[in-house]
Amino acid sequence: EAAVTQSPRNKVAVTGGKVTLSCNQTNNHNNMYWYRQDTGHGLRLIHYSYGAGSTEKGDIPDGYKASRPSQENFSLILELATPSQTSVYFCASGDARLGVNYAEQFFGPGTRLTVL
Amino acid sequence: GDSVIQMQGQVTLSENDFLFINCTYSTTGYPTLFWYVQYSGEGPQLLLQVTTANNKGSSRGFEATYDKGTTSFHLQKTSVQEIDSAVYYCAMRATGYQNFYFGKGTSLTVIP
Repeated sequence: EAAVTQSPRNKVAVTGGKVTLSCNQTNNHNNMYWYRQDTGHGLRLIHYSYGAGSTEKGDIPDGYKASRPSQENFSLILELATPSQTSVYFCASGDARLGVNYAEQFFGPGTRLTVL
Repeated sequence: GDSVIQMQGQVTLSENDFLFINCTYSTTGYPTLFWYVQYSGEGPQLLLQVTTANNKGSSRGFEATYDKGTTSFHLQKTSVQEIDSAVYYCAMRATGYQNFYFGKGTSLTVIP
């Protein structure tokens, strides 16, 4: 069974503060993703990674950084949090093996972030 | 460029009603199409995937097909139940690309 975990599950931060959201996967998947979910926008891709040491910008990367120190871990970093970053954040992992074009993404349970 | 459009934002049905959710896609490649379901307080999870046009995928009473001619794909269920209340996302993965394109989601409420 695929397993993606996120921490913390809930976070309240102050404007201007630094926030780090963590994700761990035990699927041995190469690919990992960070999305935010907002009403009316669905899931929007922030950053993604194809393996340890790599990070790529997604569709809405401004204000966010990402770090992939190992196959299992992928972090999302808000250096200077703003109220507009209040959202629910989801991490996902996916199989990138050649030919596995149908491979699904496995999502974590989400982190609810409130920036005051 | 590649994209997925999901127009229905909210759908309210009564139990035993017929459900139909439609998405359209755009890609220059060969798509694999997915439907994800998200229950309250959880992350999205795969409901169905369809890899071949005009073939059906089915799971938990839901069926999905896609029409290459109209570049559309849809999710249907003959008789919805209250437990089906959730947000449903369509998604596309184009051949050779590792990222997904998600629709904006359809929030389904089923009234008992």
